[in-house]
Formats: sequence, C-alpha cells, structure tokens
Amino acid sequence: GAVVSQHPSRVICKSGTSVKIECRSLDFQATTMFWYRQFPKKSLMLMATSNEGSKATYEQGVEKDKFLINHASLTLSTLTVTSAHPEDSSFYICSARDIEGANEKLFFGSGTQLSVL
Amino acid sequence: GESVGLHLPTLSVQEGDNSIINCAYSNSASDYFIWYKQESGKGPQFIIDIRSNMDKRQGQRVTVLLNKTVKHLSLQIAATQPGDSAVYFCADTFGNEKLTFGTGTRLTIIP
Repeated sequence: GAVVSQHPSRVICKSGTSVKIECRSLDFQATTMFWYRQFPKKSLMLMATSNEGSKATYEQGVEKDKFLINHASLTLSTLTVTSAHPEDSSFYICSARDIEGANEKLFFGSGTQLSVL
Repeated sequence: GESVGLHLPTLSVQEGDNSIINCAYSNSASDYFIWYKQESGKGPQFIIDIRSNMDKRQGQRVTVLLNKTVKHLSLQIAATQPGDSAVYFCADTFGNEKLTFGTGTRLTIIP
C-alpha cells in the first residue's frame, strides 16, 4: 500500500524555538495533504488542509501564523510550529490523498510527538 | 458542527472471541465511512471502508456494517488476537472532503 513518511518522529525543543515537521508521500503523488493534532487519549483534530501550489486552508481556531504549512511539491508538505510553547506539545499527524483514480483513501504518517519545554 | 461519535470508550475482549465496535454518525449526507486502527505512538492505519450505497463489507477478519436509517456504523473483528489491541476510530466524509473522526474506542484483547 501507499506509504507516507513523517519526520521527525519525536522532537523536544525549548520554548520559543520553531520546529519543522515533514510529510512525504513516498510512492504516490498527493495534491492534498492534511495535518492533524492529537492529544493523549483523544481523537484526531484536523488543523489544516495543505494544497500543492496554493495556500493551506486552516480550520477554525487554528492560527495560521503559528502553524505554517508549505506544500511545495506533490510529494512534500511541511508544518512549522513557530515560537513553540508548552501548550503546543502534542502528537502531530499528517495524511495524504492519492490523486490517482478514485482512490479516496487517506494514508497517514507515523506521527510526530512534540514536547516543548 | 456535526461530528462522528462512538458509544463506548473502552472494550475488553477475550482472545479468540469476536468483538464489535460501534459508531454513531450525525451527518446524514455522509457517503463514505472508514475505520482506522491506531496503536500507541503511531499514526492511524486504514482497516476497511464502506460507501453509503452498501450496508455490509467484509475484509480479512473484519466486517463493517452500515445502517443509514439510524446512522450507525460498526466494526466486527473475528477471532481477536493480541495484535488487535489498539484504539479504533471511525471517520466519515461527504463528497471526498475532509474526514471527521470519532472519539475512538480502546480495544483490549485479554490473553
């Protein structure tokens, strides 16, 4: 099946620093990628939809200047958490949709555990 | 807004028995439903999907049932194994738009 690679898997940073998370579709092209946030024992909450070659669409309540999304190619989207604070600590997950045919399945990355000290 | 919810947050099943995980969705326009399995510290893994023009779909050891009348979705796992222990999420979407995830059910298989 399709593979989505997400890096890093875990990052610990100091408050005030910025952290970049990469999401790559390894064997398919994805015009659309999604970024989710998940708190412990909670469900996935969609943060934004990343569109190749255009601006991301953010969900209500998600600060676009805080969570910068770039989707420069059909296989790569990045999420940058700017000036991270302890409340940004969470599990971040990306997913990608294969553009071929009518495949609506989303393939998920393995997630990034962000801990801000 | 509308959301997908789950009836039970936790479920424990004896190894070898069958398990049923339930999900209620609220968007009557949803036309595509998916079950995901998430193990600790990992991203969701696709299990099985079903479209609204079907009421049952079977995979390997898994069956998804869809009841559009009461907006209910269930995942049946046959002959459960220790590796089935995980959190299971249902999700729905309409018109190939973004997915709405349910709250999740933690399934524990008892050896």
